[in-house]
Amino acid sequence: GESVGLHLPTLSVQEGDNSIINCAYSNSASDYFIWYKQESGKGPQFIIDIRSNMDKRQGQRVTVLLNKTVKHLSLQIAATQPGDSAVYFCAENPNNDMRFGAGTRLTVKP
Amino acid sequence: GAVVSQHPSWVICKSGTSVKIECRSLDFQATTMFWYRQFPKQSLMLMATSNEGSKATYEQGVEKDKFLINHASLTLSTLTVTSAHPEDSSFYICSATWTGALGNQPQHFGDGTRLSIL
Repeated sequence: GESVGLHLPTLSVQEGDNSIINCAYSNSASDYFIWYKQESGKGPQFIIDIRSNMDKRQGQRVTVLLNKTVKHLSLQIAATQPGDSAVYFCAENPNNDMRFGAGTRLTVKP
Repeated sequence: GAVVSQHPSWVICKSGTSVKIECRSLDFQATTMFWYRQFPKQSLMLMATSNEGSKATYEQGVEKDKFLINHASLTLSTLTVTSAHPEDSSFYICSATWTGALGNQPQHFGDGTRLSIL
């Protein structure tokens, strides 16, 4: 499968601020995208997904934006909390040859 | 919903031992299960894809005789690390998904198994 990559390996934010984690993908045929959160010693946890017929999808404190023109995906976390500290991965087409990128480690400073 | 249980969470055993890891989908029927391996501070590496009732598809470089995968039911897949050696020590994670009427569905992950071979 084609690669899914992340722009930044680490991100440090102040508690209460908003966080934005970015992801670039290269397979223009991808039609389904997911964000996962992985805490230390645990498996990845599903956060939110979006299909290619949408540009934006909102969950609880999280928003995923999809820009198919530039093949870019972002995860926005509102009012970041210490419990949001983790590694975040994006993924595309999970049933078909899904690959994780290196992930972005989010650290929330008190 | 969509809970995946993985057991055991920790295994410590002697070199040469075979170790079996179970992955269960608790509240859904998983048509496909995946097995990953993860080294410290690295990303997940897909080892194999398993469809219920058929042989697993292994990724390039993964020895199928070393890592035996069985997916005999829609709720259970097992990974057996045969004759494990210290270099097999790692964090093994399974995931499960299903084919939905609306198209692709997310993979849901277990909490992993930490395998340490002495």
